[in-house]
Amino acid sequence: GESVGLHLPTLSVQEGDNSIINCAYSNSASDYFIWYKQESGKGPQFIIDIRSNMDKRQGQRVTVLLNKTVKHLSLQIAATQPGDSAVYFCAENLSIIFGKGTRLHILP
Amino acid sequence: NAGVMQNPRHLVRRRGQEARLRCSPMKGHSHVYWYRQLPEEGLKFMVYLQKENIIDESGMPKERFSAEFPKEGPSILRIQQVVRGDSAAYFCASSQRENGGYTFGSGTRLTVV
Repeated sequence: GESVGLHLPTLSVQEGDNSIINCAYSNSASDYFIWYKQESGKGPQFIIDIRSNMDKRQGQRVTVLLNKTVKHLSLQIAATQPGDSAVYFCAENLSIIFGKGTRLHILP
Repeated sequence: NAGVMQNPRHLVRRRGQEARLRCSPMKGHSHVYWYRQLPEEGLKFMVYLQKENIIDESGMPKERFSAEFPKEGPSILRIQQVVRGDSAAYFCASSQRENGGYTFGSGTRLTVV
């Protein structure tokens, strides 16, 4: 997985466009994955999860894609809004170490 | 069904004092994890506890830091003789079982002056 303790990468997206945030996970035996959203000054909040028997799961405006071959997850946010500004990170059930995440910055 | 409760939300301590951070997991969750976060950085794992046991403390500094999760009551992260570098947000998460999904608290923001 990604190392923690380093500054967050930032993704800047125009309001209304779609956002794609990527994550590499570490343990090939992990079979449950969660995306979290952390707004400034708050704790991480659950957005969407996916089990390893699926490769795609859709929620309201969000879609998670899972590629087990390359141990990769992506989070797609449709029609990005100012309220989507936050840090996003993924978690896998067989690791208690999280990646540093990605800061999503919305351009007006 | 309350989520993960952390208190206090904000804690100010002078250098050399002790800081005690509390975390009550979600009802039914017996696994607790503590993370530390500096501004503009990710969550850094500190310690993983189950009731009365420390499962993994590989992320804990060797000195001044300790954690417990007693049979009754919340999990406590204790920092003795705090220094300015301990200033950070400390988040607790809980899960129902090992390797399950995590629910996070709102964090405790520690400021050492």
